[in-house]
Amino acid sequence: QKEVEQNSGPLSVPEGAIASLNCTYSDRGSQSFFWYRQYSGKSPELIMSIYSNGDKEDGRFTAQLNKASQYVSLLIRDSQPSDSATYLCAVPSGGSYIPTFGRGTSLIVHP
Amino acid sequence: DGGITQSPKYLFRKEGQNVTLSCEQNLNHDAMYWYRQDPGQGLRLIYYSQIVNDFQKGDIAEGYSVSREKKESFPLTVTSAQKNPTAFYLCASFRDRLNEKLFFGSGTQLSVL
Repeated sequence: QKEVEQNSGPLSVPEGAIASLNCTYSDRGSQSFFWYRQYSGKSPELIMSIYSNGDKEDGRFTAQLNKASQYVSLLIRDSQPSDSATYLCAVPSGGSYIPTFGRGTSLIVHP
Repeated sequence: DGGITQSPKYLFRKEGQNVTLSCEQNLNHDAMYWYRQDPGQGLRLIYYSQIVNDFQKGDIAEGYSVSREKKESFPLTVTSAQKNPTAFYLCASFRDRLNEKLFFGSGTQLSVL
């Protein structure tokens, strides 16, 4: 059973702070890693994808990947109340493209 | 615009009743998926199909059935054998290639009367 682990939270940060969300995965053959954001009652939307070790930045979001440690993280700089949502880590297993999702981390950004 | 349409948005099931959730896509994607999401939980895979007339069980297929007679359509039936069907159901499609993202429908909230 391929596993993707996330702390369920909630993670509470003040407005303007950096939010750090973490994810570990069990399949060493995985090659692509995705972060989805999901507002309550809505479907997930992709915010970041990363395929190589290191950092990938897109606006206020930075994804970090360490394949040796089987660890992927998402940093959100200058957090806004509108960032309050559940963040899902998704990792396709090495043998297929079918993603396994973590349980998600609930982020609360308070004014 | 291309996308995935799920219907209905809300659905209520009576005891012993089968209900069918609709999922249609016009993205010309080969692969389609059904996920179940319980409150505070991630997405769990129910069934998936990578080609017309073929589908595979996911991690929690018991009590569910699907069909894939057309590329565009992948309906999910929640049977009376599924004793705890209350959940948010998400349909997704995918180009089934490395580094591709999932495209999601807007979801169906199923509740038991």
